[in-house]
Amino acid sequence: QSALTQPPSVSGSPGQSVTISCTGTSSDVGSYNRVSWYQQPPGTAPKLMIYEVSNRPSGVPDRFSGSKSGNTASLTISGLQAEDEADYYCSSYTSSSTGVFGTGTKVTVL
Amino acid sequence: EVQLVQSGAEVKKPGESLKISCKASGYSFTSYWIGWVRQMPGKGLEWLGIIFPGDSDTRYSPSFQGQVTISADKFISTAYLQWSSLKASDSAMYYCARPLAADYFDYWGQGTLVTVSS
Repeated sequence: QSALTQPPSVSGSPGQSVTISCTGTSSDVGSYNRVSWYQQPPGTAPKLMIYEVSNRPSGVPDRFSGSKSGNTASLTISGLQAEDEADYYCSSYTSSSTGVFGTGTKVTVL
Repeated sequence: EVQLVQSGAEVKKPGESLKISCKASGYSFTSYWIGWVRQMPGKGLEWLGIIFPGDSDTRYSPSFQGQVTISADKFISTAYLQWSSLKASDSAMYYCARPLAADYFDYWGQGTLVTVSS
């Protein structure tokens, strides 16, 4: 299965909002509300930020929100902060009963 | 507190075998899936596979089926990822992680760096 497609990079100034897209197919994103998002600062393990499209684990700021339409899921970071600078990956459950990650997006805070 | 503690970095030669481990604690090991994720240098995350230690049900990404073997020892709450014949292209950071409902990974290990070089 192919990786989900994400833009290589997005950027924004502090306080602005940025949105990262995650495009899959009808065999993954389009068929299941089982999309998750991970934040990975350099040199660290990934951290779960969103699960099941739009749910936030305890401790994740409500500046992070998720949504989905058709084969595309999105992560929005509102009120961008310097600490949000990291790589972000989406992931989806698939029709093979396995998972697949996105290609990754580098978020830069200007 | 849920913890996943992985074995240390490895340096191997092409053709050698390797088994890395992930020791779980703080939860019922046999009641949750546990899996492995690869990250090659400077690259993105790749989903390798997961195992349910309670019954050893194992699922591999089609991309990695036959390339690696995932196993678990429920008596010592440890998951394993192994190779029978390493290649240079297996050089990467490997993370173990716990996927809830075989889906999203809520807890991650610290990673094991595998370097394969002649």
